[in-house]
Amino acid sequence: QKEVEQNSGPLSVPEGAIASLNCTYSDRGSQSFFWYRQYSGKSPELIMFIYSNGDKEDGRFTAQLNKASQYVSLLIRDSQPSDSATYLCAVSNSGGGADGLTFGKGTHLIIQP
Amino acid sequence: NAGVTQTPKFQVLKTGQSMTLQCAQDMNHNSMYWYRQDPGMGLRLIYYSASEGTTDKGEVPNGYNVSRLNKREFSLRLESAAPSQTSVYFCASAGGTDTQYFGPGTRLTVL
Repeated sequence: QKEVEQNSGPLSVPEGAIASLNCTYSDRGSQSFFWYRQYSGKSPELIMFIYSNGDKEDGRFTAQLNKASQYVSLLIRDSQPSDSATYLCAVSNSGGGADGLTFGKGTHLIIQP
Repeated sequence: NAGVTQTPKFQVLKTGQSMTLQCAQDMNHNSMYWYRQDPGMGLRLIYYSASEGTTDKGEVPNGYNVSRLNKREFSLRLESAAPSQTSVYFCASAGGTDTQYFGPGTRLTVL
């Protein structure tokens, strides 16, 4: 059984600070890693994906992957109230195939104005 | 370009009734997926279709059937709805990679 673990939160961060979200996964064969953002009552929206060890930056977002330690993280710089949402970590084992994603339960992030 | 669309948006059923949830994508993606999302449980894969003409079970397939009608459409059928199937159902699609894009969801209540 593949497992993806996230702290459910809530994680409260002051506006303008860095929000750090973490995720661990159980299957060492995992190939691809995703972060989705989900606002209350809405569908998951892709923020970033990462395939290789190290950092990947996209605007205010940085994804970090460490396959040896089996964790992936998401940093949000200059946090804004609009970043308040649930962040879902997802893992694929298919390496470009199509057998679906395993999701964590999500971390609820609150940005305090 | 609408992306992934789902119908209906909301549905209330009585125990034992049947219904089909519809999903369509206009991104020419090969792969399509059905997930359910329950409070405290996260998103769980019900069924998926890696390509037109194929379907496979996911983590929680019991009580559901699927049909990949063509490349665009992937439907989910509940033959005899149960209260345990009260959930939010999301359809997703993916192209040549495993990056998935989600539809707006169907909120289903089974009484």
